[in-house]
Amino acid sequence: NAGVTQTPKFQVLKTGQSMTLQCAQDMNHNSMYWYRQDPGMGLRLIYYSASEGTTDKGEVPNGYNVSRLNKREFSLRLESAAPSQTSVYFCASSPADTQYFGPGTRLTVL
Amino acid sequence: QQPVQSPQAVILREGEDAVINCSSSKALYSVHWYRQKHGEAPVFLMILLKGGEQKGHDKISASFNEKKQQSSLYLTASQLSYSGTYFCGTESKGYSSASKIIFGSGTRLSIRP
Repeated sequence: NAGVTQTPKFQVLKTGQSMTLQCAQDMNHNSMYWYRQDPGMGLRLIYYSASEGTTDKGEVPNGYNVSRLNKREFSLRLESAAPSQTSVYFCASSPADTQYFGPGTRLTVL
Repeated sequence: QQPVQSPQAVILREGEDAVINCSSSKALYSVHWYRQKHGEAPVFLMILLKGGEQKGHDKISASFNEKKQQSSLYLTASQLSYSGTYFCGTESKGYSSASKIIFGSGTRLSIRP
C-alpha cells in the first residue's frame, strides 16, 4: 500500500496563476482533509470531506476550492494564486479518528 | 479556536523527562497528539477520548482532563529519536461524521546527547 500520495512534491507559481494539487489514498478511508502549514506554524485545516460527494470548509478556506472526485481522490485548487498562499500543503485521510498524512507539496507563489 | 500549547520549545538532555500541555477554550470530544520531524509529515501518536482517560505508548503517555479542557503529553527518559515538533489537535464533535481536528501551533522538542 502506498498510503497517501500527493503530487506534485514542489511547485512554483506566479501570482494569478492557477493550479490543482492532487491527493490519493489507497486505504479505503471515508474522510479526507487538506491542511496548510506555514514555516514554524501548526497545521491549519482548509477543507475536508467526510465521504465521497461531500465537502466542508475548514479554518482557512478562502482562495481555495476542492473536489472529492471519488473515494480515493481529493484535489485542492488554487484559482488565482497569491504570495500569501506560499506554504506546505498536506493531504490526510482517516478511517475514523486517526489521520494519515501524505508527504506534502511545497508551494511557492512569487 | 486553535488550542494553546505550552511550552513553545523545550531542550532536554537524553534521559530527561518533559511535559507538553494543550488547552482549549471549547468543550472537547477528543484530543489527538502527533509528532512531526523536520521536513516530514506529521505522524499519529495517540488519541484520547472524552472520559478523562490516560494512555501510554512506550515511554510516551498522555492524559485528558475533560472538565478543564486540557491534555498533557508526558515523555519519560527521552531518547534522541523523540526530537521533533509535537502537535496537539482538538476535536469538538459536530454534525459531520469526519473527524475535524484543529491543531495547536506546536512544541519543538530538542534532545541533546
